[in-house]
Amino acid sequence: NAGVTQTPKFQVLKTGQSMTLQCAQDMNHNSMYWYRQDPGMGLRLIYYSASEGTTDKGEVPNGYNVSRLNKREFSLRLESAAPSQTSVYFCASTRTVTEAFFGQGTRLTVV
Amino acid sequence: AQSVTQLGSHVSVSEGALVLLRCNYSSSVPPYLFWYVQYPNQGLQLLLKYTSAATLVKGINGFEAEFKKSETSFHLTKPSAHMSDAAEYFCAVSEWRDDKIIFGKGTRLHILP
Repeated sequence: NAGVTQTPKFQVLKTGQSMTLQCAQDMNHNSMYWYRQDPGMGLRLIYYSASEGTTDKGEVPNGYNVSRLNKREFSLRLESAAPSQTSVYFCASTRTVTEAFFGQGTRLTVV
Repeated sequence: AQSVTQLGSHVSVSEGALVLLRCNYSSSVPPYLFWYVQYPNQGLQLLLKYTSAATLVKGINGFEAEFKKSETSFHLTKPSAHMSDAAEYFCAVSEWRDDKIIFGKGTRLHILP
Protein backbone atom coordinates (compact mmCIF):
# COMPACT_ATOMS: atom_id res chain seq x y z
CA ASN A 1 0.00 0.00 0.00
CA ALA A 2 1.62 3.24 -1.18
CA GLY A 3 -0.89 5.54 0.57
CA VAL A 4 -0.70 9.07 -0.86
CA THR A 5 1.90 9.63 -3.58
CA GLN A 6 2.96 13.09 -4.75
CA THR A 7 5.09 13.94 -7.75
CA PRO A 8 7.48 15.60 -8.18
CA LYS A 9 9.28 15.83 -4.84
CA PHE A 10 11.26 18.92 -5.82
CA GLN A 11 10.76 21.54 -8.52
CA VAL A 12 12.29 24.87 -9.47
CA LEU A 13 10.28 27.14 -11.74
CA LYS A 14 10.90 30.51 -13.27
CA THR A 15 8.35 33.25 -12.68
CA GLY A 16 5.53 32.91 -15.18
CA GLN A 17 6.05 29.22 -15.91
CA SER A 18 3.27 26.74 -15.38
CA MET A 19 3.28 23.31 -13.83
CA THR A 20 1.01 20.63 -12.40
CA LEU A 21 1.56 18.84 -9.11
CA GLN A 22 0.23 15.33 -9.16
CA CYS A 23 -1.34 13.41 -6.29
CA ALA A 24 -2.71 9.88 -6.20
CA GLN A 25 -4.11 7.76 -3.37
CA ASP A 26 -4.75 4.03 -3.32
CA MET A 27 -6.95 3.89 -0.21
CA ASN A 28 -10.31 4.39 -1.96
CA HIS A 29 -10.82 7.67 -0.09
CA ASN A 30 -13.56 10.05 -1.10
CA SER A 31 -12.01 13.36 -0.04
CA MET A 32 -8.72 14.83 -1.18
CA TYR A 33 -6.94 18.07 -0.24
CA TRP A 34 -4.11 20.36 -1.27
CA TYR A 35 -2.29 22.37 1.40
CA ARG A 36 0.69 24.66 1.32
CA GLN A 37 3.08 24.91 4.25
CA ASP A 38 5.09 28.07 4.91
CA PRO A 39 7.26 28.89 7.94
CA GLY A 40 5.16 30.32 10.75
CA MET A 41 1.92 29.89 8.79
CA GLY A 42 1.18 26.23 9.39
CA LEU A 43 -0.75 24.36 6.71
CA ARG A 44 -3.22 26.40 4.71
CA LEU A 45 -5.92 24.74 2.65
CA ILE A 46 -5.76 25.63 -1.04
CA TYR A 47 -8.53 23.46 -2.52
CA TYR A 48 -10.33 20.31 -1.57
CA SER A 49 -12.54 17.74 -3.23
CA ALA A 50 -15.24 15.93 -1.27
CA SER A 51 -15.87 13.43 -4.04
CA GLU A 52 -15.05 12.66 -7.62
CA GLY A 53 -16.27 15.50 -9.82
CA THR A 54 -16.47 18.15 -7.08
CA THR A 55 -13.94 20.73 -5.96
CA ASP A 56 -14.15 23.64 -3.52
CA LYS A 57 -11.95 26.56 -2.58
CA GLY A 58 -10.09 26.55 0.67
CA GLU A 59 -8.35 29.39 2.51
CA VAL A 60 -5.84 30.43 -0.16
CA PRO A 61 -7.07 29.42 -3.65
CA ASN A 62 -5.85 32.41 -5.67
CA GLY A 63 -3.31 31.50 -8.33
CA TYR A 64 -4.19 27.81 -8.33
CA ASN A 65 -6.53 25.45 -10.16
CA VAL A 66 -7.36 21.85 -9.41
CA SER A 67 -8.74 18.81 -11.18
CA ARG A 68 -10.24 15.75 -9.57
CA LEU A 69 -9.47 13.45 -12.47
CA ASN A 70 -11.02 10.37 -10.87
CA LYS A 71 -11.41 8.99 -7.37
CA ARG A 72 -7.67 8.31 -7.07
CA GLU A 73 -6.13 11.46 -8.50
CA PHE A 74 -6.25 15.14 -7.57
CA SER A 75 -3.92 17.53 -9.35
CA LEU A 76 -2.92 21.11 -8.53
CA ARG A 77 -1.98 23.50 -11.33
CA LEU A 78 -0.06 26.75 -11.21
CA GLU A 79 -0.84 28.58 -14.45
CA SER A 80 1.68 31.40 -14.00
CA ALA A 81 4.01 30.78 -11.09
CA ALA A 82 4.99 33.65 -8.79
CA PRO A 83 7.72 33.83 -6.12
CA SER A 84 4.96 34.03 -3.48
CA GLN A 85 4.05 30.46 -4.43
CA THR A 86 7.39 29.16 -3.22
CA SER A 87 6.31 26.66 -0.59
CA VAL A 88 6.02 23.03 0.37
CA TYR A 89 2.82 21.52 -0.99
CA PHE A 90 1.07 18.60 0.64
CA CYS A 91 -1.68 16.43 -0.70
CA ALA A 92 -3.93 14.53 1.71
CA SER A 93 -6.91 12.18 1.54
CA THR A 94 -9.61 10.94 3.92
CA ARG A 95 -12.48 8.49 3.87
CA THR A 96 -14.36 10.66 6.32
CA VAL A 97 -13.08 13.82 8.02
CA THR A 98 -11.73 11.83 10.94
CA GLU A 99 -8.20 11.10 9.75
CA ALA A 100 -6.20 12.60 6.93
CA PHE A 101 -3.33 10.74 5.30
CA PHE A 102 -0.59 12.91 3.87
CA GLY A 103 1.88 12.57 1.07
CA GLN A 104 5.56 13.36 1.54
CA GLY A 105 5.28 16.83 0.03
CA THR A 106 6.53 18.74 -3.00
CA ARG A 107 9.11 21.44 -2.37
CA LEU A 108 8.55 24.16 -4.98
CA THR A 109 10.82 27.13 -5.53
CA VAL A 110 9.83 29.93 -7.91
CA VAL A 111 12.69 32.20 -8.95
CA ALA B 1 -16.08 28.96 9.86
CA GLN B 2 -13.94 26.70 11.96
CA SER B 3 -10.47 27.81 13.10
CA VAL B 4 -7.65 26.78 15.39
CA THR B 5 -5.23 28.80 17.50
CA GLN B 6 -2.05 27.26 18.82
CA LEU B 7 -0.40 29.20 21.63
CA GLY B 8 3.36 29.34 21.30
CA SER B 9 5.19 28.77 18.04
CA HIS B 10 8.13 27.25 19.96
CA VAL B 11 8.07 25.30 23.23
CA SER B 12 11.15 23.96 25.00
CA VAL B 13 11.06 21.32 27.73
CA SER B 14 13.72 19.27 29.44
CA GLU B 15 13.96 15.55 28.76
CA GLY B 16 11.71 13.79 31.28
CA ALA B 17 9.57 16.87 31.93
CA LEU B 18 5.88 17.34 31.18
CA VAL B 19 4.97 18.36 27.64
CA LEU B 20 1.99 20.72 27.25
CA LEU B 21 1.05 22.11 23.84
CA ARG B 22 -1.99 24.39 23.76
CA CYS B 23 -4.77 24.47 21.20
CA ASN B 24 -8.01 26.43 21.19
CA TYR B 25 -10.64 26.01 18.52
CA SER B 26 -13.61 27.83 17.12
CA SER B 27 -16.52 25.94 15.60
CA SER B 28 -20.24 26.61 15.23
CA VAL B 29 -21.10 22.92 15.59
CA PRO B 30 -19.53 20.10 17.63
CA PRO B 31 -16.09 19.69 16.12
CA TYR B 32 -13.73 16.91 15.30
CA LEU B 33 -10.28 17.73 16.66
CA PHE B 34 -6.86 16.35 15.81
CA TRP B 35 -3.21 16.55 16.67
CA TYR B 36 -0.66 15.76 13.99
CA VAL B 37 3.12 15.52 14.24
CA GLN B 38 5.64 16.37 11.55
CA TYR B 39 9.25 15.25 11.68
CA PRO B 40 11.82 17.10 9.54
CA ASN B 41 11.34 16.71 5.79
CA GLN B 42 8.34 14.42 6.22
CA GLY B 43 4.60 14.58 5.84
CA LEU B 44 2.16 14.77 8.75
CA GLN B 45 1.22 11.80 10.91
CA LEU B 46 -1.90 11.57 13.07
CA LEU B 47 -1.16 11.49 16.81
CA LEU B 48 -4.72 11.37 18.09
CA LYS B 49 -8.26 12.49 17.34
CA TYR B 50 -11.47 13.49 19.12
CA THR B 51 -14.69 12.58 17.33
CA SER B 52 -17.33 13.13 20.09
CA ALA B 53 -16.70 9.96 22.08
CA ALA B 54 -14.52 10.07 25.23
CA THR B 55 -13.26 13.56 26.06
CA LEU B 56 -9.83 12.24 27.10
CA VAL B 57 -8.16 10.84 24.04
CA LYS B 58 -5.02 8.72 24.06
CA GLY B 59 -2.73 8.63 21.08
CA ILE B 60 0.54 7.18 19.93
CA ASN B 61 3.90 7.65 21.62
CA GLY B 62 2.34 8.34 25.04
CA PHE B 63 0.53 11.52 24.05
CA GLU B 64 -2.99 12.37 25.14
CA ALA B 65 -5.38 15.30 24.81
CA GLU B 66 -8.53 16.39 26.60
CA PHE B 67 -11.50 18.00 24.88
CA LYS B 68 -12.94 20.78 27.06
CA LYS B 69 -16.02 22.27 25.49
CA SER B 70 -16.39 25.02 28.11
CA GLU B 71 -12.86 26.24 27.37
CA THR B 72 -12.96 25.42 23.62
CA SER B 73 -9.60 23.74 24.15
CA PHE B 74 -7.85 20.56 23.09
CA HIS B 75 -4.43 20.70 24.70
CA LEU B 76 -1.84 17.99 24.02
CA THR B 77 0.14 16.49 26.90
CA LYS B 78 2.78 13.86 27.58
CA PRO B 79 3.96 13.13 31.12
CA SER B 80 7.64 12.65 30.30
CA ALA B 81 9.37 14.13 27.25
CA HIS B 82 11.80 12.08 25.20
CA MET B 83 14.42 13.38 22.78
CA SER B 84 12.57 11.66 19.95
CA ASP B 85 9.53 13.91 20.60
CA ALA B 86 11.32 16.88 19.05
CA ALA B 87 9.16 17.78 16.05
CA GLU B 88 6.47 20.21 14.92
CA TYR B 89 2.95 19.61 16.18
CA PHE B 90 -0.23 20.78 14.51
CA CYS B 91 -3.72 21.02 15.92
CA ALA B 92 -6.56 20.73 13.41
CA VAL B 93 -10.36 21.00 13.36
CA SER B 94 -13.10 19.77 11.07
CA GLU B 95 -16.89 19.65 11.22
CA TRP B 96 -19.19 16.74 10.41
CA ARG B 97 -21.17 18.87 7.94
CA ASP B 98 -18.11 20.04 6.03
CA ASP B 99 -15.19 18.24 4.44
CA LYS B 100 -12.63 20.90 5.24
CA ILE B 101 -9.81 20.21 7.71
CA ILE B 102 -8.28 23.43 9.03
CA PHE B 103 -4.87 23.48 10.69
CA GLY B 104 -3.24 25.75 13.22
CA LYS B 105 0.11 27.41 12.64
CA GLY B 106 2.01 24.73 14.48
CA THR B 107 4.20 24.50 17.58
CA ARG B 108 7.80 23.38 17.32
CA LEU B 109 8.75 21.29 20.34
CA HIS B 110 12.38 21.37 21.45
CA ILE B 111 13.69 18.83 23.96
CA LEU B 112 16.59 19.95 26.13
CA PRO B 113 19.03 17.31 27.39
